[in-house]
Amino acid sequence: QVQLQESGPGLVKPSETLSLTCAVSGGSINSYYWSWIRQPPGKGLEWIGYIYYGGSPNYNPSLKSRVTISLDTSKNQFSLKLSSVTAADTAVYHCARHYSYGPSSFGYWGQGTLVTVSS
Amino acid sequence: EIVMTQSPVTLSVSPGERATLSCRASQSVGSSLAWYQQKPGQAPRLLIYAASTRPTGIPARFSGSGSGTEFTLTISSLQSEDFAVYYCQQYNNWPPLTFGPGTKVDVK
Repeated sequence: QVQLQESGPGLVKPSETLSLTCAVSGGSINSYYWSWIRQPPGKGLEWIGYIYYGGSPNYNPSLKSRVTISLDTSKNQFSLKLSSVTAADTAVYHCARHYSYGPSSFGYWGQGTLVTVSS
Repeated sequence: EIVMTQSPVTLSVSPGERATLSCRASQSVGSSLAWYQQKPGQAPRLLIYAASTRPTGIPARFSGSGSGTEFTLTISSLQSEDFAVYYCQQYNNWPPLTFGPGTKVDVK
C-alpha cells in the first residue's frame, strides 16, 4: 500500500520560499507521476504541478514562475519549492500519486500539511 | 484552461436516499474525469476515474456516468459516512489539471 507523508515548516514569512517534502513508502518513486495539490482553508483544490522519473516537471501556468518540483530517488521522496509567497499561498498542501501512469486522476494522497504565510 | 463547474453547491439528502451530483466541463474532456470524496480534516479519496470506473475498495453504491462535457456521480443509497464534499477533476487537457469547486452533501 502506497503511503505519502508531507513535511516542512508550517509558517513561512511573506516574500520567502515555501519548501515541502513528500516521503513515499510502499512503492518506488521511479514509477508513476507525482503531484502537489493545495487547498486554501475552506476552499477547493488547486493542482500545482507534477514530476516523474526521467521526465520534466509540468506546472500550473498560474504558478509556473514561482514553482520548482524535484525528485530525490535516493530517499524515495519529492519536493516542492514555491518562491515569493504571499498570504494567498496559505493552504493545506497535499502530495499525491497519480492513479495510473501519466497525468491522470490522483489515487493516493498524503494527509496534507497546513502552511501559513504570515510575518 | 478547462473550467469545471459543479451543481448544486449543496445537496441536502436524507440517509437512504439517492444523491445525484453534476459536473460540467467548459470543453470536452472525453472520459478523462475523476470524482473524489473529502471529509473534514482528511485528504480527498478517489471514488471514480475514467468517468465510470471504481477503484478497488470503493462501494458499489457510488457510480459515475457521462462523457464529453456532462458528468454525473450517483450515490444510490446514502450512508452516514457519505456526507462530505465531492469534487470532480479533468485530466484530458493539461496543464493545468483542474478540479470543480465541489458539492457539499449534507443531512436533510
